[in-house]
Amino acid sequence: AQTVTQSQPEMSVQEAETVTLSCTYDTSESDYYLFWYKQPPSRQMILVIRQEAYKQQNATENRFSVNFQKAAKSFSLKISDSQLGDAAMYFCAYKESGGGADGLTFGKGTHLIIQP
Amino acid sequence: NAGVMQNPRHLVRRRGQEARLRCSPMKGHSHVYWYRQLPEEGLKFMVYLQKENIIDESGMPKERFSAEFPKEGPSILRIQQVVRGDSAAYFCASSSGFSDTQYFGPGTRLTVL
Repeated sequence: AQTVTQSQPEMSVQEAETVTLSCTYDTSESDYYLFWYKQPPSRQMILVIRQEAYKQQNATENRFSVNFQKAAKSFSLKISDSQLGDAAMYFCAYKESGGGADGLTFGKGTHLIIQP
Repeated sequence: NAGVMQNPRHLVRRRGQEARLRCSPMKGHSHVYWYRQLPEEGLKFMVYLQKENIIDESGMPKERFSAEFPKEGPSILRIQQVVRGDSAAYFCASSSGFSDTQYFGPGTRLTVL
């Protein structure tokens, strides 16, 4: 079974600084998708970024970028120029492509605190 | 385009009662997923449905839980004879295809007294 591990229960960063959240996963599949979702205090799950495993280029969305290391099964999220609105729980998630497990497998999350 | 809708947002039930949670997917989406989030935990997959079909229910508890996605109307997650351990946030997500990104609703927080 696939597992997703987020080893940092909590991270703190100064406003306007850069922070990196770690995620590792375990799979025997070669084709899959990886995601970062954000859950602010409202509890709504918001998609931050998506990466297809077959793509070597790291995904970016404005201030958010990933460092995808397929051989190491690592998928870290970098947030540049941190803003107060970035404070939230961040969840890393994995999904197989093709047949097999249909749902997302989530890590336990990292609580990101932004210091003003 | 309206997002994924879930209702109610909060639901309180006494032990032994039934809970019915509703999910309307985003317009144009025919794939629905249900997840459960216990306190201080990530989301756990429960069931994946397409219109009138359960595709994967590998994450559903074997008893008391059921889900449907009828031809007309929202998807329903039904929990019979609720127990305190069912207290959690239940999230619905939808996508336009199997490999497409899942977009989440705001969740239903179930409290069992």
